[in-house]
Amino acid sequence: QSVLTQPPSVSGAPGQRVTISCTGSSSNIGAGYNVHWYQQLPATAPKLLMYAYSNRPSGVPDRFSGSKSGTSASLAITGLQAEDEADYYCHSYDSSLNAWVFGGGTKLTVL
Amino acid sequence: QVQLQQSGPGLVKPSQTLSLTCAISGDTVSSNSVAWNWIRQSPSRGLEWLGRTYHRSKWYKEYAVSVKSRITINPDTSKNQFSLQLDSVTPEDTAIYYCTRGRDGYNDFWGQGTLVTVSS
Repeated sequence: QSVLTQPPSVSGAPGQRVTISCTGSSSNIGAGYNVHWYQQLPATAPKLLMYAYSNRPSGVPDRFSGSKSGTSASLAITGLQAEDEADYYCHSYDSSLNAWVFGGGTKLTVL
Repeated sequence: QVQLQQSGPGLVKPSQTLSLTCAISGDTVSSNSVAWNWIRQSPSRGLEWLGRTYHRSKWYKEYAVSVKSRITINPDTSKNQFSLQLDSVTPEDTAIYYCTRGRDGYNDFWGQGTLVTVSS
């Protein structure tokens, strides 16, 4: 069981908006540690999608956005495209484990 | 553009040592603003951070509790690379291993990944 909890799967039709949640606790997200998001396409390494909640690296479309609320973070994708079909992971630091931790991943299916 | 090129065997026998190397281009292993990580991914454990090394006037190494007794991460400034050694492996260590560059807590560059299978 992952320290950061994500829904196993989400889906949406092309053009729709989906959100992926990442729920933590008082020793990670709630303690103020940043949350980062990665996108993993099949058979490839994860790719940084969002850092420090809402910052997009160069080249990431503004259809992707991130936010935080309490001990949770969210990734929103608007204007869904077929190429967005991938696994998405959240990532933060946990002070009780003294370790960087990941969510279990969410598989996004574009219908 | 930073590139990380991983090398090492894809098959290791149980009880032996897993050894991987990550060659860095576009940055230096002794940079004072980043860290160099090893992360693995398996169906049973998901993405798991194993440890990191970084240079801030001196070298630091930090390891996950789950592997702390078995892991060593070493920088090699002469070859601009860093390595992972994981001792006494079992089939549970079978995973895809990634090296990454860490900046302010996030991993902005990843190696291509190495599938390591622990089997006799």
